[in-house]
Amino acid sequence: GENVEQHPSTLSVQEGDSAVIKCTYSDSASNYFPWYKQELGKRPQLIIDIRSNVGEKKDQRIAVTLNKTAKHFSLHITETQPEDSAVYFCAASINRGSTLGRLYFGRGTQLTVWP
Amino acid sequence: SQTIHQWPATLVQPVGSPLSLECTVEGTSNPNLYWYRQAAGRGLQLLFYSVGIGQISSEVPQNLSASRPQDRQFILSSKKLLLSDSGFYLCAWNPKGPSGTIYEQYFGPGTRLTVT
Repeated sequence: GENVEQHPSTLSVQEGDSAVIKCTYSDSASNYFPWYKQELGKRPQLIIDIRSNVGEKKDQRIAVTLNKTAKHFSLHITETQPEDSAVYFCAASINRGSTLGRLYFGRGTQLTVWP
Repeated sequence: SQTIHQWPATLVQPVGSPLSLECTVEGTSNPNLYWYRQAAGRGLQLLFYSVGIGQISSEVPQNLSASRPQDRQFILSSKKLLLSDSGFYLCAWNPKGPSGTIYEQYFGPGTRLTVT
């Protein structure tokens, strides 16, 4: 099956700085890559996603890039704010047969933004 | 609009007792449904997923089981809980469109289970 690796496991930045979280995947058939944000005690929330026919997607202060050749994708958060502090999970989905829709998650990155 | 419900929100159970957690989705039909477990400070572990009524795929062979008695209902059960079953249980779903499954997956509010 698919294997998703996520780095770093923890990330601390100063308010206003940028944060970058990187993920790699193993199966070239993966074609959907979402990112989730999970605040303490809450459910994971989908914040942005990208499909394999797109190289970059941006939504205000967050952006995701995808390099299909290298099989890696990244989350970029600019002008970080204390409320960005949370655990972020990347995931990949393989569009094939009975596993359609199943997500393979990275282990998560604890982002802390210091005021 | 679509909504996902889970209950109970919190649960404290003794070791060896049975478990039943319920998840229902409103506003959609024939969704894919998932059960995840998250241990404290850890990642998301997929336990079961279902692409339709009565169709369950298991990811981890444990003392847990899942059932889908109705299209939008997904139940997680155990006959005898272990201490290691403690965690945050999350139900999730994919909507399906006319051309097949849509990839976005949404999580329910979760059930926090403590086994004592």
